[in-house]
Amino acid sequence: DAGVIQSPRHEVTEMGQEVTLRCKPISGHNSLFWYRQTMMRGLELLIYFNNNVPIDDSGMPEDRFSAKMPNASFSTLKIQPSEPRDSAVYFCASSSPGPLGGELFFGEGSRLTVL
Amino acid sequence: AQSVTQLDSHVSVSEGTPVLLRCNYSSSYSPSLFWYVQHPNKGLQLLLKYTSAATLVKGINGFEAEFKKSETSFHLTKPSAHMSDAAEYFCVVSWGGSQGNLIFGKGTKLSVKP
Repeated sequence: DAGVIQSPRHEVTEMGQEVTLRCKPISGHNSLFWYRQTMMRGLELLIYFNNNVPIDDSGMPEDRFSAKMPNASFSTLKIQPSEPRDSAVYFCASSSPGPLGGELFFGEGSRLTVL
Repeated sequence: AQSVTQLDSHVSVSEGTPVLLRCNYSSSYSPSLFWYVQHPNKGLQLLLKYTSAATLVKGINGFEAEFKKSETSFHLTKPSAHMSDAAEYFCVVSWGGSQGNLIFGKGTKLSVKP
């Protein structure tokens, strides 16, 4: 299996532009997570899906952020409009059903820079 | 409330010497505990996990961790550091049976000197 695949790996954009980050989870995994990593705040859970349904989006910073999972093999995280403070590395992770706290498999991340 | 504290933001060791990365947790429930490693420009990878079985847990690359309930600790150790161990390490606590109930520590950056 190729693992969790994220695209783009790097994105540089200007303030006000729309940004779309993409994630393909590992086949057969039924949970998908979006995290944001910054030096100041560390790793933060933004949202997670179970069987394509959003379960907890309390970590989404504000209405400028939205996430979708139209099917079991694809998810997007969209920021519109983007702001410089959104600059971070965004990670997608997936996991399969398991006992308490199954292992998360992370993608290599999308590094976003908003100028 | 649940929380996890990594006591050192940066640890530096010489190659061949022992590694100790400290982690303390607070949980009202019986937690599951994990250590993840992140190499530069990579995603996180699971090193090991504790889920209420044996208190001494062995992971990949020679790492192990011991769950000590009385001390609410889950320190990560390795007898002999290798240059390839240089990375950032995250202690994670999970509770309540939901994979969304994960709290990541702030991370400890491990440097290994030749």
